[in-house]
Amino acid sequence: DAKTTQPNSMESNEEEPVHLPCNHSTISGTDYIHWYRQLPSQGPEYVIHGLTSNVNNRMASLAIAEDRKSSTLILHRATLRDAAVYYCILYPFGNEKLTFGTGTRLTIIP
Amino acid sequence: NAGVTQTPKFQVLKTGQSMTLQCAQDMNHNSMYWYRQDPGMGLRLIYYSASEGTTDKGEVPNGYNVSRLNKREFSLRLESAAPSQTSVYFCASSDNSGRDPEAFFGQGTRLTVV
Repeated sequence: DAKTTQPNSMESNEEEPVHLPCNHSTISGTDYIHWYRQLPSQGPEYVIHGLTSNVNNRMASLAIAEDRKSSTLILHRATLRDAAVYYCILYPFGNEKLTFGTGTRLTIIP
Repeated sequence: NAGVTQTPKFQVLKTGQSMTLQCAQDMNHNSMYWYRQDPGMGLRLIYYSASEGTTDKGEVPNGYNVSRLNKREFSLRLESAAPSQTSVYFCASSDNSGRDPEAFFGQGTRLTVV
């Protein structure tokens, strides 16, 4: 299974943009890039996903490198409620096995 | 719309006891998953089920059994609980048809084995 590499932790100031990086150098052509986050004492929740093109939704933006070996989750204006562990996952189309890595713990500084 | 419901929310077991964690989803999803999360760690996949009647091992299946009772329900059984199985257990479901790949998670079952 293709693996992802994320920094263990990051800090950001409230109301500023946050860029969360993810490396996935062994990504294959059928791998979708998914991001989930886990708020304290809760189950993970879906944030965004993409294949090749950059994606935007109400929660965040996903920027995917042209060679697809890395991606960046962008929170445009961080709030205290965005403090969570963010997981970058490769999910092959048609593959039911959904596995998580260790993620990035994001701390928001007021 | 309840999403994914797990029962119980909390449980304390003695070493050697058995129990079944229940999970039900009301989104007509084909795929269901069981994960465990130890303190300060990421989620590890125990078992998953791609469709009713099928189950497959994940990353850490030893000590667990699962049953996909029907499309809605996916249970996780600990036959002889051990302290190493103290963890928070999450159930999830998703539509594996590719139309909508978002996975939905339950709120978790906090299990302590003493």
